Amino acid sequence: EAQVTQNPRYLITVTGKKLTVTCSQNMNHEYMSWYRQDPGLGLRQIYYSMNVEVTDKGDVPEGYKVSRKEKRNFPLILESPSPNQTSLYFCASSRTSGVPGELFFGEGSRLTVL
Amino acid sequence: GENVEQHPSTLSVQEGDSAVIKCTYSDSASNYFPWYKQELGKGPQLIIDIRSNVGEKKDQRIAVTLNKTAKHFSLHITETQPEDSAVYFCAANAGGTSYGKLTFGQGTILTVHP
Repeated sequence: EAQVTQNPRYLITVTGKKLTVTCSQNMNHEYMSWYRQDPGLGLRQIYYSMNVEVTDKGDVPEGYKVSRKEKRNFPLILESPSPNQTSLYFCASSRTSGVPGELFFGEGSRLTVL
Repeated sequence: GENVEQHPSTLSVQEGDSAVIKCTYSDSASNYFPWYKQELGKGPQLIIDIRSNVGEKKDQRIAVTLNKTAKHFSLHITETQPEDSAVYFCAANAGGTSYGKLTFGQGTILTVHP
């Protein structure tokens, strides 16, 4: 089954404790991206990747890191999480490496930073 | 960077009525405008998209119109059904070399009453 898989789905952590949210897609997609969803703010893009080893900042990259060493994986790293990073996070992928086509989203990862 | 404004934030209609959601964007170089539907507890799913060389696109009960001069685009849902109830997001890509950057609107909560 074609899908985007995120882990963990739910996480409660404390300020400053490094964490990684993994994202994997099995569709051989070129493009991958991370978004955070907050009430009243919609979906805001954190980082995106047009291809392996190519990453670019979205609208809200501060406090986050990403890497794209393999085509299928695009982990999101919070080196020192803070309470304002409490949010619902979505990973998405798209077939094209040009102008984004249809984005396929994962189920989301709800992160709480205390 | 790109700024996408979406209105209204909530929309309540009776089954069978039409629903219209409007978005404006700021980057005149944007050329891709998708609409996503998000059901409770799930990731967003693409329902329709339009590119800048087209003024209107239809898919059964759903249509999108684009006015590049005014920099706005709209989603039209006719003959609404209770299963259309969801959060809807518009989006626009950035122009120029950042064309992989996709900015979403704030979302519209659509409720269709039986």
